[in-house]
Amino acid sequence: GQQVMQIPQYQHVQEGEDFTTYCNSSTTLSNIQWYKQRPGGHPVFLIQLVKSGEVKKQKRLTFQFGEAKKNSSLHITATQTTDVGTYFCAGAGANNLFFGTGTRLTVIP
Amino acid sequence: DSGVTQTPKHLITATGQRVTLRCSPRSGDLSVYWYQQSLDQGLQFLIQYYNGEERAKGNILERFSAQQFPDLHSELNLSSLELGDSALYFCASSPTGTGGSPLHFGNGTRLTVT
Repeated sequence: GQQVMQIPQYQHVQEGEDFTTYCNSSTTLSNIQWYKQRPGGHPVFLIQLVKSGEVKKQKRLTFQFGEAKKNSSLHITATQTTDVGTYFCAGAGANNLFFGTGTRLTVIP
Repeated sequence: DSGVTQTPKHLITATGQRVTLRCSPRSGDLSVYWYQQSLDQGLQFLIQYYNGEERAKGNILERFSAQQFPDLHSELNLSSLELGDSALYFCASSPTGTGGSPLHFGNGTRLTVT
């Protein structure tokens, strides 16, 4: 069955350092979505990428979709304490959405 | 506010019991998804409904069942509860059932089985 793997599982960074999480699918995706879950909260939709090689930016966050539409990355520049939480990618197949295992980001002040 | 309402927020019950979790999707959304999140774990997909019909099934135990009603709200029934069923249960909704639209999550129901 379809699987979406995400690495790393955990990441601790000093405030101001950059952070990247990677997402890989075993099959070609129609789109990929990214979500953020703050501690004690629920997942919140951040962005959706549809086109091969697409790059989108939201302030300090940069999202990329691979050329083969099987992988994606989220990069945060100069992390802040407000960035803490778990970041999930979710790959869309033919009829469903498959969530990655998530990367928990801790930012040390 | 995502527009997705889940009740109750917290539920504490004993092993062997049965509980029902309720979800009202965002206005206009036809699809409802249920996810289980154990402590510090990822989102385990349980089941999806679209406009009243079951669309996809994940790792849902036979002790668990769900349905979506004509008014589009959904209920997740958990029976013969075990300690390991303690988790956060999220409901999410989307306009379509194909994965092409973002999901909007409710605040979740935290179930504690003692």
